[in-house]
Parts: sequence; C-alpha cells; structure tokens
Amino acid sequence: QQQVKQSPQSLIVQKGGISIINCAYENTAFDYFPWYQQFPGKGPALLIAIRPDVSEKKEGRFTISFNKSAKQFSLHIMDSQPGDSATYFCAASSKTSYDKVIFGPGTSLSVIP
Amino acid sequence: GAVVSQHPSRVICKSGTSVKIECRSLDFQATTMFWYRQFPKQSLMLMATSNEGSKATYEQGVEKDKFLINHASLTLSTLTVTSAHPEDSSFYICSASMDRAYGYTFGSGTRLTVV
Repeated sequence: QQQVKQSPQSLIVQKGGISIINCAYENTAFDYFPWYQQFPGKGPALLIAIRPDVSEKKEGRFTISFNKSAKQFSLHIMDSQPGDSATYFCAASSKTSYDKVIFGPGTSLSVIP
Repeated sequence: GAVVSQHPSRVICKSGTSVKIECRSLDFQATTMFWYRQFPKQSLMLMATSNEGSKATYEQGVEKDKFLINHASLTLSTLTVTSAHPEDSSFYICSASMDRAYGYTFGSGTRLTVV
C-alpha cells in the first residue's frame, strides 16, 4: 500500500511557467512533509518542508500548499527555469514512526526554453 | 551545516564478494541514520533504520543477513552488502538529521554494480 501518492509522473513546463505537483497521504500520524529535488546520479536535496499546522509555506520560487482535511499537499514552482529540470519527490514522516521519511513515487520535471 | 558524506560514490564488485558503504555526518552527531535503495527511475525505498549503539531495524522484505548495518559511532553508519549478486546492483543512499526540526539530509549516494 503506497503511503504517499504523487502526480503527475512526468511534467513538461515552458520556461517562466508554473510547475505544480500534487501529493496525497493516508497516515494521519504524518506530521512533517518535505519536498526533495534529485538530479541524476545524486542524492535528494531538501527543497522545502511544511508541518500540518500551516496551510502554506513559501521559500523563494517554491511554495507548498497543505490541506490537512483532504490529506493533500502540493508544490508550486513559480517562474520555472531549465535548471529546475529534475525529479521531485514529496515525502512524509512522523515522530511516532521514528521519523522514517517515506517517499512518494516522484515526478520528472522538464522545463523547456 | 548538516552535511552527510557517503563513500564510495561508485563501486563495482564481483558476484559473491562483500561491499561496505560508509555514511558520515560531518558536522553533527546523529543517533539515527536511514538507508535507502533506489532503482533507476524509481523512488527511494527505505531499507533500514540505523541506531547508534543498537541493532538496526529493517523494513519488511529486507534481508538483514544480506544488508548488514553497523552504527559504530554518532557520526558513522556502515552498510555492508554481503555475498553480492547482480540483482543487488542499485543506488544506495543514506540520510541523517541534526535535529528533527531541520529535516533529514541525504548523502550523495553510492552506485553499486555487481558483475
């Protein structure tokens, strides 16, 4: 059973556009929701994270929107750039599960000029 | 801060041999580290939780006798793939956290190829 669902599987966005990736979870014990960016052959790098007591968090061009009642959260990348082309993973963890980070299946983002 | 170093970055070994991968937290102490496995174009799958001074906790379906984990100190965890076979070829990644409030930092990964 997939604990964290993610869509779309792949996404193509024009330079300057908005990239939107959506995630959903089932375990209500999750209390930390990070997003990771991964380039080929590299480990994932933390982009931005949110906790369920906040509905939105913005850092630069990256914004997380969080809907606790729907158990959904999303990543918005504003003014997308070719350098943003990477695989993005949403994830979740809970203190009650020793902070194990559970990853979504990933979204491959391509930003075209 | 919160740098996690993983070594080696790439390793090729013969079938039947063992390979050790190191994960170090360079500027902080980590009582808990995690080991993940990633196949091409797939997500990261949690293999085990490494606890300093105690036995690792393995996820369901992960062979603990094949993937030996040792958390010898607050800054070092090792993953040993024993009697490696071609199907063990994968990208192995560790992670650690300085503080839960700051989230988890991932190492750069180790590409293991078993021939």
